[in-house]
Amino acid sequence: QVHLVQSGPEVKKPGASVKVSCKVSGYTLTDLSIHWVRQAPGKGLEWMAAFDPEDDKTIYAQDFQGRVTTTEDTSTDTAYMELSSLRSEDTAIYYCSTFGGGSSGYFYHYMDVWGIGTTVIVSS
Amino acid sequence: SSELTQDPAVSVALGQTVRISCQGDSLRSYTASWYRQRPGQAPILVIYRRDSRPSGIPDRFSGTSSGTTASLTITGAQAEDEGDYFCSSRDSTNTVLFGGGTKLTVL
Repeated sequence: QVHLVQSGPEVKKPGASVKVSCKVSGYTLTDLSIHWVRQAPGKGLEWMAAFDPEDDKTIYAQDFQGRVTTTEDTSTDTAYMELSSLRSEDTAIYYCSTFGGGSSGYFYHYMDVWGIGTTVIVSS
Repeated sequence: SSELTQDPAVSVALGQTVRISCQGDSLRSYTASWYRQRPGQAPILVIYRRDSRPSGIPDRFSGTSSGTTASLTITGAQAEDEGDYFCSSRDSTNTVLFGGGTKLTVL
């Protein structure tokens, strides 16, 4: 059973970068496609990026192109999401998520396992 | 357009049936998934691939789709079904889309 453990809350100043981690347990990171989704206070879900194992590349939402980078450390089964040039509108809960019931190597566009979220506050 | 549209709020009497809809061009080509989110919690998947239920999701939850509209139906709504419901799909660029969410109130 897949379990995702995210890093703790962050407070950043405008213009800075933040890096959120997501450690996978119960599964091997390379067998999963990790999605990153955020939710601003009182707002809906906003998909940011995910790794597509079928094309071996990361897919980014257009709104985040050039500002978000995802990486993976397979030695520790940990995925990372870094968001740069932070502004107040980036204040949100950032979730990592995945589909734990699928086959390795497939890109699933739905997620049945979610981390508890990482709160990022951007404030001067 | 690559957008999914949902009604902001819906209410249902306890034990009655409610349908939550999601509209978008991508739904003509790709299946919808549905998530429920309670305050202060992460979303949970309740329907995927249009009408499949993850283990642990009650069979009162069902999904359908026609044309550019996908629907989530709860037959015999319970108090614990209250929350925000988000539809999701993909588009032709492999991007994941979310609807704006529907707040369900069980009266």
